[in-house]
Amino acid sequence: EIVMTQSPATLSVSPGERVTLSCRASQSVSSYKLAWYQQKPGQAPRLLIYGASTRATGIPARFSGSGSGTDFTLTISSLQSEDFAVYYCQQYNNWPRTFGQGTKVEMK
Amino acid sequence: EVQLVESGGGLVQPGGSLRLSCSASGFTFSDYSMHWVRQAPGKGLEFISSINNDGSSTYYADSVKGRSTISRENSKNNLYLQMSSLRVEDMAVYYCAKSGGGYSEYWGQGTLVTVSS
Repeated sequence: EIVMTQSPATLSVSPGERVTLSCRASQSVSSYKLAWYQQKPGQAPRLLIYGASTRATGIPARFSGSGSGTDFTLTISSLQSEDFAVYYCQQYNNWPRTFGQGTKVEMK
Repeated sequence: EVQLVESGGGLVQPGGSLRLSCSASGFTFSDYSMHWVRQAPGKGLEFISSINNDGSSTYYADSVKGRSTISRENSKNNLYLQMSSLRVEDMAVYYCAKSGGGYSEYWGQGTLVTVSS
């Protein structure tokens, strides 16, 4: 099983700041099969990024993904108030599909 | 617009059974694999089951293997998850999701399963 580790667990930021979230896999995730999701309280997760760097339909350009192999990053270029949420990475290259434990982005 | 609506959750005693349903619309259901993902209260996401577009191939996480059966009825645009021998640790919100090529592209709002005596 590929273990996905996200850091930090919590990030306290102010609107307008640039945010970088990290996701590390215990073994290489080939073919860039890495996705990022956003989840707000009481809501279902929403797909942000797939293929490590492709934005899903309707996702604003301030969200970007990068990385390969075992190290991946989600960047929010200028945090908006609606971006406070928990973010999860997921590898979908191997079974079982595994998620990271999440990074909570909270207001400073 | 893609819509996924889960139902069938509720309170069940340990050892009991439950069938979750997911009604899909807004896309050609029979063309896509589907997933079930769950989230225990205050916890992260756990991918538990997947089925391919025609139902010929399924996957189960170890945590539910042998106790759960995923199925689909393409003529009715419905996805199911039959769960038995439920445990306290199965208590969670269960989401169905449309596969986008391995990742979960669209999600329903979830249905809560409570396992308690």
